[in-house]
Formats: sequence, structure tokens, C-alpha cells
Amino acid sequence: NAGVTQTPKFQVLKTGQSMTLQCAQDMNHEYMSWYRQDPGMGLRLIHYSVGAGITDQGEVPNGYNVSRSTTEDFPLRLLSAAPSQTSVYFCASSYSAGGAYNEQFFGPGTRLTVL
Amino acid sequence: GENVEQHPSTLSVQEGDSAVIKCTYSDSASNYFPWYKQELGKGPQLIIDIRSNVGEKKDQRIAVTLNKTAKHFSLHITETQPEDSAVYFCAAPYNTDKLIFGTGTRLQVFP
Repeated sequence: NAGVTQTPKFQVLKTGQSMTLQCAQDMNHEYMSWYRQDPGMGLRLIHYSVGAGITDQGEVPNGYNVSRSTTEDFPLRLLSAAPSQTSVYFCASSYSAGGAYNEQFFGPGTRLTVL
Repeated sequence: GENVEQHPSTLSVQEGDSAVIKCTYSDSASNYFPWYKQELGKGPQLIIDIRSNVGEKKDQRIAVTLNKTAKHFSLHITETQPEDSAVYFCAAPYNTDKLIFGTGTRLQVFP
């Protein structure tokens, strides 16, 4: 199993550009989530999904969109990038039925810089 | 919502010494408390967790203690080794679907 994969590993955007961060898992996990990691701020939950077709907001959802059309994929979209979105983004997955109460399997991260 | 505070933000110890990282949480309904280790350039990885029906859990050199009355839990690493150097995160759930992390502790173990 590849586990949780994320692409790209690095990305530089200009303010106002849009892009999609890709996340996929091959463990048949129902629960998936996106976090951003900033110095001194820890990991902050952006959006999460408890299954295909179901998404909800986390702690810092503004400026980000998500969708979950399949169990395997959970892309994160930035519609109009801002410098405040410069961060390292992690995707994670876990078993269903109370995802927050199960082990989170994290991807390797995407380092995003917005100029 | 849940708020998780973590201290210290940085911790330096000599190899062989013990390290303790403390976290407090705000939601008294929380009853699951995991700890994650993040090595440089990688995603966090679960190292130990505790549920509220026990006060302490050990796994070789690491242990976690929980005080539900005071709403705090701690990670203890004994006989530290250079490979323990990493960033450690505590976390607590806010309802069943949101896992809230602390701000992280950068542990450096000097040989």
C-alpha cells in the first residue's frame, strides 16, 4: 500500500492564482481531512470528510474548497491564492465511524508559497 | 470548540535524560488523547494514545498520563536518544469528526 499520497510536493503561486492540491489514499478509509501547518500554530484543520459526497468545515476553512467524489480522493482547492495561505499542507485519513477518535495517517505534505 | 494548549514550545535535553511535554484541553467531553511525532520533512505519525478510562499508558520508553479532573495530559520520554529529536504534537477531539492539535514541541536531544 502507498498509504496517503500528496501532489505536488512543492508549489509557488502568485497572488490571485488558483490551484488544487491532490490527496489520495489506498487504505479504503472513509474519513479524510486537510490540515495546514504554520510555525508556532501547530496543525489546524481546514476541511474534513466522513465519506464520499460528505464534507464539512474545520477550524480555518476560509479561502479553501473541497469535494469528495470517491473514497480514495480528497482534493483541496484554492480559488484565489493569498500570501496568508503560504503554509505546509497535510492530508490525512483514518477509519470511519468517529474519524477523530482513530489513528490519523498523514501524507508527506505539500509546501505552498504564495507570492 | 476544543482548545488544546501545549508546553513547552522547545525542549533541549541531554541524551539519556527524560523529557516531558504537557497539554491542556478545554472540552470536558473529550476522552481520547493521541500524541504524534513529526520528523523533519515528513508528516506526523501516531506514537501513543490514551483513552479516558485509564490514567496512564506505557510503550517502552514513552508513556502518557491523563488527569481528567485537571483536563491535562502529558507525554513522558525516558532515556532519550538522538533519534527522539523531532516535533511532537498532542491532540484532542472536538466531537467525533474534528481532531484539534496543540501547537507542537520541538525536542532536541544532544549526544
